[in-house]
Amino acid sequence: QPVLTQPPSSSASPGESARLTCTLPSDINVGSYNIYWYQQKPGSPPRYLLYYYSDSDKGQGSGVPSRFSGSKDASANTGILLISGLQSEDEADYYCMIWPSNALGVFGGGTKLTVL
Amino acid sequence: EVQLVESGGGLVKPGGSLRLSCAASGFTFSSYSMNWVRQAPGKGLEWVSSISSSSSYIYYADSVKGRFTISRDNAKNSLYLQMNSLRAEDTAVYYCAREVRDEMATIKVFDYWGQGTLVTVSS
Repeated sequence: QPVLTQPPSSSASPGESARLTCTLPSDINVGSYNIYWYQQKPGSPPRYLLYYYSDSDKGQGSGVPSRFSGSKDASANTGILLISGLQSEDEADYYCMIWPSNALGVFGGGTKLTVL
Repeated sequence: EVQLVESGGGLVKPGGSLRLSCAASGFTFSSYSMNWVRQAPGKGLEWVSSISSSSSYIYYADSVKGRFTISRDNAKNSLYLQMNSLRAEDTAVYYCAREVRDEMATIKVFDYWGQGTLVTVSS
C-alpha cells in the first residue's frame, strides 16, 4: 500500500492560515484521487473534515466550518488542507487519506498543528 | 443519535487471540459498510479492514491479512474483529467507523467513529 507523506508538525498564529500538505508517491497521480482530511484532538476519535477532488467536486463534513478547505498542487503531487482564520480550537492532529484501490484505505502519517 | 461503542480490548500475550465488538445504534446498521481503524500509542491512524453492508465484500490491510477476520451481525447491530496470532505491533486503540459513500462509491467517508478500545499485546 502506498505511503502518504505529511510533515510531522506545523504551526501558525491565531488569525493566520495554515497549509497542511499530503504528498502522494510518484507512481500515484494526485489528480486521480479524492483526498480526504480528518482532524483528531487528544483523547478523541478522528472527525471527518472534507474531501477534495477538484474545485467542482468537493465536499464538506457536517458542521465543518468553511474556514477548512481543500486543494491540490499537481506539480508537487500533493493534496492540501487550508485552514484560514486559525483559532485555538484548531490545534489538533490532521490526517489525509485516500482509497488507492477503492477497497483498501491508506492514511498519511499525520501533522500536528500547533496554534501559537 | 448515532452511537458506536467498541468493547473487547485488553492485554493479551503475543500469539494470542482477541475478539473486538462494536455495538451500533441510532441508525440502520444493515445499510452501511463498516470499518476498523487502529492507532498505535502516540502514532497515526491505520486503516485495518472493511465489510460491506451485507458482508459480501471484505477487505484487509496487508498488515493483518490472514490473521484478522472482520464480520457483522445485522440482526444484533454489531460489528466484530477476530484477531489471531497477535503481535506486539498490533498494540493500538481500535476504532470502529461507519462508512458513508455516494452512489458510485467514488466518495467513501468515515462519518461516525466510536471512542475506541485498547488492545495491548505484551508478554
